Amino acid sequence: SQQGEEDPQALSIQEGENATMNCSYKTSINNLQWYRQNSGRGLVHLILIRSNEREKHSGRLRVTLDTSKKSSSLLITASRAADTASYFCVNALNFGKGTSLLVTP
Amino acid sequence: NAGVTQTPKFQVLKTGQSMTLQCAQDMNHNSMYWYRQDPGMGLRLIYYSASEGTTDKGEVPNGYNVSRLNKREFSLRLESAAPSQTSVYFCASSELGTGAHSNQPQHFGDGTRLSIL
Repeated sequence: SQQGEEDPQALSIQEGENATMNCSYKTSINNLQWYRQNSGRGLVHLILIRSNEREKHSGRLRVTLDTSKKSSSLLITASRAADTASYFCVNALNFGKGTSLLVTP
Repeated sequence: NAGVTQTPKFQVLKTGQSMTLQCAQDMNHNSMYWYRQDPGMGLRLIYYSASEGTTDKGEVPNGYNVSRLNKREFSLRLESAAPSQTSVYFCASSELGTGAHSNQPQHFGDGTRLSIL
């Protein structure tokens, strides 16, 4: 399997704190994508980072990519209760198992 | 704009029954995908269609067949359902992909929750 692996599997923080999730992958990539899944819903695309990029921002999201370590991280700043969801990294249609984020008021 | 629509949302089958999961997208996307999601397993690709008229196997195709009926519709068929196929099934589409190396974001439906007794 070429699945990536997210770390941690579960993360619990309070509103206002930052949340960092990591993803490791096994093969070379063209790009890496991050998705969010709210309970009972489909996945929603958050951000795509190409293999020649090291960092990308979108609103409160910051994604980094280290191709030498085959790893990526997703940082959510100033978390809100609405950020409670599972987050997945995706490499060429291979999904990781996700990080379950709980943000409490 | 509905995006990706999956029907039905819920279904209970008995072992050995057959059924077809329907998926339609209204975004004029070329590529469509079927995944299954099991607890603790993430999403696994069953089949995909890089463009109208083509289909390819993914990671877990056994026990499933697909039909790319036209550009909008991509159906998944279970010919003889087994309890191991109890799962949540997601359909997705993307603008233009080359299948396994798509650089395009995928748009997902809300899933079909399938239980096989």
